[in-house]
Amino acid sequence: DTGVSQDPRHKITKRGQNVTFRCDPISEHNRLYWYRQTLGQGPEFLTYFQNEAQLEKSRLLSDRFSAERPKGSFSTLEIQRTEQGDSAMYLCASSAGGVNYGYTFGSGTRLTVV
Amino acid sequence: GESVGLHLPTLSVQEGDNSIINCAYSNSASDYFIWYKQESGKGPQFIIDIRSNMDKRQGQRVTVLLNKTVKHLSLQIAATQPGDSAVYFCAESPGAAGNKLTFGGGTRVLVKP
Repeated sequence: DTGVSQDPRHKITKRGQNVTFRCDPISEHNRLYWYRQTLGQGPEFLTYFQNEAQLEKSRLLSDRFSAERPKGSFSTLEIQRTEQGDSAMYLCASSAGGVNYGYTFGSGTRLTVV
Repeated sequence: GESVGLHLPTLSVQEGDNSIINCAYSNSASDYFIWYKQESGKGPQFIIDIRSNMDKRQGQRVTVLLNKTVKHLSLQIAATQPGDSAVYFCAESPGAAGNKLTFGGGTRVLVKP
């Protein structure tokens, strides 16, 4: 296992299009997290899963955003009707428990909405 | 809302010198703090952590200091190397078993040869 994998690394899309990102966590990690990071800022929490259950969602996660983890393994984050303000790095992290249990980030998906 | 912030956006340091990166936090209920290093095109990488019942913790070439009285956190890097050039973030959590990290805005460290 090489860590948390995210795909694609980069995505350029036109405003109004839908995009979907994928995250593959470390295999033995039951918790999976999504963050958003804009240039020069620290990551901001979006949502997290314990196994397949989505347990918390940030107010940053508007109705256009949806995240799933159907089998408790990989997760997808979909953004519908993208806006220029959605341009950011979307980071995924996984852990075997809370923040003190091997909390590991992936390299992110950089989204540019034009 | 609660926030974690940094005093200096950019720190230039001579190779071999020590670096000190500062961070202020506002949530007095925070129990667990982490420093992350982020290189260009990569995700945050764990450096060192500290719980609120401690005021100092040392790792390899790094030391984290926590002053709960003034809600201040610092990261000291000894003998800074070119590979230390990156953006550094502090982050806080209500506890080590918590799930959500609140990050500050980052400090860029530039190591001059």
